[in-house]
Amino acid sequence: QVHLVESGGGVVQPGRSLRLSCAASGFIFSNDAMHWVRQAPGKGLEWLSVVSYDGSTQYYTDSVKGRFTISRDNSKNILYLQMDSLRVEDTAVYFCARSLEVVAAPRYWGQGTLVTVSS
Amino acid sequence: QTVVTQEASISVPPGGTVTLTCGLNSGSVSTSFNPSWYQQTPGQPPRTLIHGTSSRSSGVPDRFSGSILGNKAALTITGAQAEDESHYYCVVYLGSGIWVFGGGTKLTVL
Repeated sequence: QVHLVESGGGVVQPGRSLRLSCAASGFIFSNDAMHWVRQAPGKGLEWLSVVSYDGSTQYYTDSVKGRFTISRDNSKNILYLQMDSLRVEDTAVYFCARSLEVVAAPRYWGQGTLVTVSS
Repeated sequence: QTVVTQEASISVPPGGTVTLTCGLNSGSVSTSFNPSWYQQTPGQPPRTLIHGTSSRSSGVPDRFSGSILGNKAALTITGAQAEDESHYYCVVYLGSGIWVFGGGTKLTVL
């Protein structure tokens, strides 16, 4: 059974950094691409980033490019999202999700972790 | 900037058929955009209904179907039930590793 568990969320001041983790189990993590998607309170879903199965390729939406970094540790079955220079508008629930490849949409989702950026 | 468009809200009577659409502010959605559809209730993560335009995810009732209608991706619910009242999102692949979600459709069954 596919299991994705996000952690690392919390309250952080604007301009600071936070690293999210997504622990994966129940499938061969090193075979699949992984995405981060967020949802601001009361708003829709926003795709943020995807990393290839081996971590060699990463893509980002414009709003986080240069501030957020996606990475993975296939030896530990963990996906990361390093978030720097956080802004109030980055406040959201952050979901990790699995897909078969970069060109495949997210299919299996974690429960999400809440990040609140506030002074 | 590419915007993925969805109806803001739609109503359907119980047992009725409804089609939600997913388009682009510039151009058409085709199968090469790999559209997928998700259902989300408040406080829950998205549930994948349809991937790759028309493939139904495991456990999804067959009253949900995906297709391309004209220049848009479409999600059709045939025989809507009360539990289908939810928010629905599409996502499309724009190429170069970039995905974009639509703004979502709030479906009311009444």
